[in-house]
Amino acid sequence: DAGVTQSPTHLIKTRGQQVTLRCSPKSGHDTVSWYQQALGQGPQFIFQYYEEEERQRGNFPDRFSGHQFPNYSSELNVNALLLGDSALYLCASSLLGTGTLDYGYTFGSGTRLTVV
Amino acid sequence: AQSVTQPDIHITVSEGASLELRCNYSYGATPYLFWYVQSPGQGLQLLLKYFSGDTLVQGIKGFEAEFKRSQSSFNLRKPSVHWSDAAEYFCAVGAGFQKLVFGTGTRLLVSP
Repeated sequence: DAGVTQSPTHLIKTRGQQVTLRCSPKSGHDTVSWYQQALGQGPQFIFQYYEEEERQRGNFPDRFSGHQFPNYSSELNVNALLLGDSALYLCASSLLGTGTLDYGYTFGSGTRLTVV
Repeated sequence: AQSVTQPDIHITVSEGASLELRCNYSYGATPYLFWYVQSPGQGLQLLLKYFSGDTLVQGIKGFEAEFKRSQSSFNLRKPSVHWSDAAEYFCAVGAGFQKLVFGTGTRLLVSP
């Protein structure tokens, strides 16, 4: 049973550029959440997608946007990259459709983004 | 606002010794509490979680945690540490609708 798949695993971008990160959720899951983990920090919630809509958003600027596709996969887009955007970006999938609030996350291994 | 504090940035434990990692949370209602482990270059793996009921929770890999409402704590314990337990450990609180708020983590080093 495949877990959460993220691509690419590593990425180097220049300040001011744009980047797209991708996530395929665990089979059977319908919700995707994105987290940013800066070096030496805990993950911070960026946003969550369910039924192709952004359901919740953390304290991140509009430069961070996302999308969820009908097959539940998701993309995270970051525009006008700053040096401070360098981090490990984690995708987590879960099943929200049953209505149970059990935080049954499965995390991917993340995409390491370096902005130079 | 919900928050989690892990006061120990690094902890070194001898192999075979017992372990306790501290976690304090701030949350208005009954919290959903979690411990995750992260090995280098990896994502997060759930060790255990507390929603309600018995305040002593058993998890995977021989870990357990105790919820103490009076102290707003959810400390992680293991009676005998193995070298493979060396990793980063994160405590988290459920902040509504499947959003987690994490602490800054504790790095566990295991000495021979």
